[in-house]
Amino acid sequence: NAGVTQTPKFRVLKTGQSMTLLCAQDMNHEYMYWYRQDPGMGLRLIHYSVGEGTTAKGEVPDGYNVSRLKKQNFLLGLESAAPSQTSVYFCASSYPTPLAGESKETQYFGPGTRLLVL
Amino acid sequence: DAKTTQPTSMDCAEGRAANLPCNHSTISGNEYVYWYRQIHSQGPQYIIHGLKNNETNEMASLIITEDRKSSTLILPHATLRDTAVYYCIVRGYYGQNFVFGPGTRLSVLP
Repeated sequence: NAGVTQTPKFRVLKTGQSMTLLCAQDMNHEYMYWYRQDPGMGLRLIHYSVGEGTTAKGEVPDGYNVSRLKKQNFLLGLESAAPSQTSVYFCASSYPTPLAGESKETQYFGPGTRLLVL
Repeated sequence: DAKTTQPTSMDCAEGRAANLPCNHSTISGNEYVYWYRQIHSQGPQYIIHGLKNNETNEMASLIITEDRKSSTLILPHATLRDTAVYYCIVRGYYGQNFVFGPGTRLSVLP
């Protein structure tokens, strides 16, 4: 059981280049999330997905797109990278509790992808 | 989701208990208190969560005041490996994202 894995671990891009970050989880979780973390700051949510084929915007979605074609994978795309997107990107997954009204939910995080845009 | 307030940084001697406070005075009845930590630049790690009652697991204890407006995370015997940023998060019904603030930077000193 690998948990949440992210590919690649580190990447350097030039301004205007595109790339896709892959997040995979083997815990059969329904929910998946992409966060970014800038130096000295907390995490900010980019996009999330509550199930296969569904995605939604988070706090800072501009400049990113996502896809959830398979339950276990959540892809984050940068169509035209900008220096402001230099950051550490974390993926997380979780499952909702089965009882209505409860809010217990534990998110499990991947190790992160460090992206430098020159 | 309710906002949380944590001290920016704290020190703790190795082997002693580390008590990390968190204020969440606007918490509502169905919101849980979660604690995560982030060691160096790794992904955040879940520690513990609770609603009303005090909770304990193999990592830590969570003490929530009766009015639920504040809580304390207790690491009973801090080690150097517990040096990390600790995040207190209050979260409502499932489907909402976690809001990570700046957290408390805990330094465990030898």
